[in-house]
Amino acid sequence: ETGVTQTPRHLVMGMTNKKSLKCEQHLGHNAMYWYKQSAKKPLELMFVYSLEERVENNSVPSRFSPECPNSSHLFLHLHTLQPEDSALYLCASSQDRRLSEKLFFGSGTQLSVL
Amino acid sequence: DQQVKQNSPSLSVQEGRISILNCDYTNSMFDYFLWYKKYPAEGPTFLISISSIKDKNEDGRFTVFLNKSAKHLSLHIVPSQPGDSAVYFCAASVAGNMLTFGGGTRLMVKP
Repeated sequence: ETGVTQTPRHLVMGMTNKKSLKCEQHLGHNAMYWYKQSAKKPLELMFVYSLEERVENNSVPSRFSPECPNSSHLFLHLHTLQPEDSALYLCASSQDRRLSEKLFFGSGTQLSVL
Repeated sequence: DQQVKQNSPSLSVQEGRISILNCDYTNSMFDYFLWYKKYPAEGPTFLISISSIKDKNEDGRFTVFLNKSAKHLSLHIVPSQPGDSAVYFCAASVAGNMLTFGGGTRLMVKP
C-alpha cells in the first residue's frame, strides 16, 4: 500500500464518546499534519509533527489530542466533542516540514458529532 | 481575516472550453503558490505550483498565472474535460513554511 491512508473513512459519535482517528503514511516522509475542513471554509491546519515531535499547535481545543508514535503514524484522539466539530479531518505528510509546499493528503475522515 | 481568498464558490464550464479559476491573497510575503484538486471522498492532490519569481507556469492543459502587483493568481484549464470536475484549492506559503489555503472553487465541466 502506498500514499497516505486514513481510518475510519466515516465516523459518527456522540458528545460524550471517545474515539481516535488514524493516519499512516508509506512515503518515508518526516512531517505529518492534521487539517480540518469545515463546510464552506478553508482548510485549517490543526497540528504539525516533524520527526515525531509536535512543532505547531494552532490553538486547537484540548478536546483534540494528537499522538505521533513514529514517523509513519499519526493519531487524533477525540473526546467530548461538540456538534460544531463535525467536519472532514484530513491527514497529510511531506518530505520535510520546511518543504511543506507539497503535501500529500489522505482521503480524510468525515466526522459527525451528534 | 483570510489571507487567501477564492471568491467564486463554483464555476460551470462547457467541455472543451477554457476554465479560469481565480485566487486573491493579501500577504505580500507569500513567495510560493500552489493549486490542489479534490474529488469527492478523496483528499486534495497537488496539481501545479509557481514561485513568485515567475509569472507563468505551464503543465499540459494547466497553466497558472501570477500577478504580484495585483496579488492575484489564476489557474487556466484548456481544454476543460468532464474529469476536471472537482474542487480546486489555491494555497500560498512564505519561505517554505506552512501553507495557507483558500476556501475552494467547485468546477463543473458539462459534457
